Amino acid sequence: ELKVEQNPLFLSMQEGKNYTIYCNYSTTSDRLYWYRQDPGKSLESLFVLLSNGAVKQEGRLMASLDTKARLSTLHITAAVHDLSATYFCAVDTAYTSGTYKYIFGTGTRLKVLA
Amino acid sequence: DAGITQSPRHKVTETGTPVTLRCHQTENHRYMYWYRQDPGHGLRLIHYSYGVKDTDKGEVSDGYSVSRSKTEDFLLTLESATSSQTSVYFCAIRERSGYEQFFGPGTRLTVL
Repeated sequence: ELKVEQNPLFLSMQEGKNYTIYCNYSTTSDRLYWYRQDPGKSLESLFVLLSNGAVKQEGRLMASLDTKARLSTLHITAAVHDLSATYFCAVDTAYTSGTYKYIFGTGTRLKVLA
Repeated sequence: DAGITQSPRHKVTETGTPVTLRCHQTENHRYMYWYRQDPGHGLRLIHYSYGVKDTDKGEVSDGYSVSRSKTEDFLLTLESATSSQTSVYFCAIRERSGYEQFFGPGTRLTVL
């Protein structure tokens, strides 16, 4: 059974600090996605990582993918309050009908303190 | 904006009643998905569709059925709602040419 584990599950950090969220998964996959969710809202796509070694950056967030280690990281640089949200990773896996499905991690709830 | 709407956005119902949630998309996407989101579980796939009348089960499909009679609508039905189906339900689409999924605004369902 494919498992996707995120850690930490909860993260409280000071503004201006750096931190990394980890996403480990248990089966072969070359595609991984990061989403952000604000309370009571839907999921917003942040990054699409489609190959080993892929690195994407947007503002204070940078995501990377190591398919050999089955690991993705979401690095936060100089955190600001606006980054407070829950972050999910999702791994793509082939499904019986020939299509692909996501398996989500349980999410990391980030709170940035002023 | 991937042109996805969900209805209703909020619903309170009683145990044993049937409930249908609707996902509507305006951009002719082939793949559509229904997820539920519960604390501590992230999002879990209920059912998905890869074309009109083509659907398949996800990891938590028991107690749910789906139908897709036209490209733009994907319906999720709880035949006889139970309290364990209290959740937030998200619909998602996947573009034919890509891998990324885009999510609708969600439906909060409470089963009393």
